[in-house]
Amino acid sequence: DTGVSQDPRHKITKRGQNVTFRCDPISEHNRLYWYRQTLGQGPEFLTYFQNEAQLEKSRLLSDRFSAERPKGSFSTLEIQRTEQGDSAMYLCASSSPGTSGKGGLNEQFFGPGTRLTVL
Amino acid sequence: AQKITQTQPGMFVQEKEAVTLDCTYDTSDPSYGLFWYKQPSSGEMIFLIYQGSYDQQNATEGRYSLNFQKARKSANLVISASQLGDSAMYFCAMREGLGGFKTIFGAGTRLFVKA
Repeated sequence: DTGVSQDPRHKITKRGQNVTFRCDPISEHNRLYWYRQTLGQGPEFLTYFQNEAQLEKSRLLSDRFSAERPKGSFSTLEIQRTEQGDSAMYLCASSSPGTSGKGGLNEQFFGPGTRLTVL
Repeated sequence: AQKITQTQPGMFVQEKEAVTLDCTYDTSDPSYGLFWYKQPSSGEMIFLIYQGSYDQQNATEGRYSLNFQKARKSANLVISASQLGDSAMYFCAMREGLGGFKTIFGAGTRLFVKA
C-alpha cells in the first residue's frame, strides 16, 4: 500500500492523559499536513511541514499540541493533558511540490485519520 | 479572508437521478484551486474533482462534474446517475495560490441516495 497511513485508527483516553498519533506519508512526498475534524464540520488546518521544518501553525494548535517530523519522513502529533474538546478526527495529508495531478499543483493525499475520544 | 460556504446540510436523491451540491467561496487571490472530496462513514477523504481558477472549461471526472461560475464565486458539484454508494458527506474545499498548502473546507453536505 503506497498511500498515507495513520496509527492508531482509534484512540480512547481519559481527560488529562497524553496521546501521540503517527502519520506515514507517501514515501516521495516532502510536504506533510495535519488537519482536525470535529463532528459535523469540515477539516481544519493545524500545521504544515516541508521536510523536517514546521513552516506554518494554526492558532488552533494550542501549547498542549506539538507536532514533529524529525527526519523529514513520518510525523507525530502529541496532545498533552487532553480535554474533552480535543475529541475529533485527526487527519494527515502529504504532497510533493510541483506535482500536477488530477488535484492540481501540490495535490494533497489524505490518510484514513485517527479518531480520538476523550472521556 | 478565504471562506467556503455549503448551505445544504443534507440532500436526498433517488437512485439513478442527478443531484447538485452547492458551494460558494470567497477569496481575494486570483489564483486558487477548488476541490470536492467525499467522506464515507469510514472517515477517509476521497478526492473527487479539481478546478483551477484559470481553467476555461468545467472539470469532469466520470459521473462528477464541477459547475464553475467564477463571477458568482460558485463551484457546484453535479453527480449524475446517483448510486447507493454515493451516500456520504461531501466537502467543498479551496487552496489559495495554485501551489498553496493550506486547504480550507466547507461544513459539508450529507447526501442520502434512496433506492
